Amino acid sequence: GDSVTQMEGPVTLSEEAFLTINCTYTATGYPSLFWYVQYPGEGLQLLLKATKADDKGSNKGFEATYRKETTSFHLEKGSVQVSDSAVYFCALSAASGGSYIPTFGRGTSLIVHP
Amino acid sequence: DAGVTQSPTHLIKTRGQQVTLRCSPKSGHDTVSWYQQALGQGPQFIFQYYEEEERQRGNFPDRFSGHQFPNYSSELNVNALLLGDSALYLCASSFGRAVETQYFGPGTRLLVL
Repeated sequence: GDSVTQMEGPVTLSEEAFLTINCTYTATGYPSLFWYVQYPGEGLQLLLKATKADDKGSNKGFEATYRKETTSFHLEKGSVQVSDSAVYFCALSAASGGSYIPTFGRGTSLIVHP
Repeated sequence: DAGVTQSPTHLIKTRGQQVTLRCSPKSGHDTVSWYQQALGQGPQFIFQYYEEEERQRGNFPDRFSGHQFPNYSSELNVNALLLGDSALYLCASSFGRAVETQYFGPGTRLLVL
């Protein structure tokens, strides 16, 4: 079945450091790929998405490129802020028998220190 | 716009009991999906309701059931609670069934003792 694997956290960085959170996937067909962010005590928010190979999703300084050859969708940001501290989830949505059941990774906690 | 709202925020039950969780979708949304998020895990899709019918279902037993009302709000019912049902239950709404456009609520934290 479909699956998403993320790097384990927590990832601890100083403010203005470069961020990479790795995500790889296994899916049949051609899935859409997503990154969600969950701030403490809140629900998930869609951060960015890409729907086909070589697409780059971007939002709020974060970006990720859909790499079909390596089945990856790594999240990057050039300069993190304390307010970026949250849990980040990689997810995919693939068609299966006419349905689109989303699959999430386990999440990666990011802690940014001043 | 209140966004997606869920009630209650927290709940404690004992094994064998039944529980009902509620969700009001974001204004203008007609589809509600439910997810279970165990501690330290990503959300797992339970099922989706559209036009008052269950349209898609994840790998969850029949103890998990739901309902959607004409105003698009939804309930998740879990019967014969097990300790392993302890989790954060998330509701997400969207206009239409595309998961790409869904908005999540803050969740209901269920603890089964």
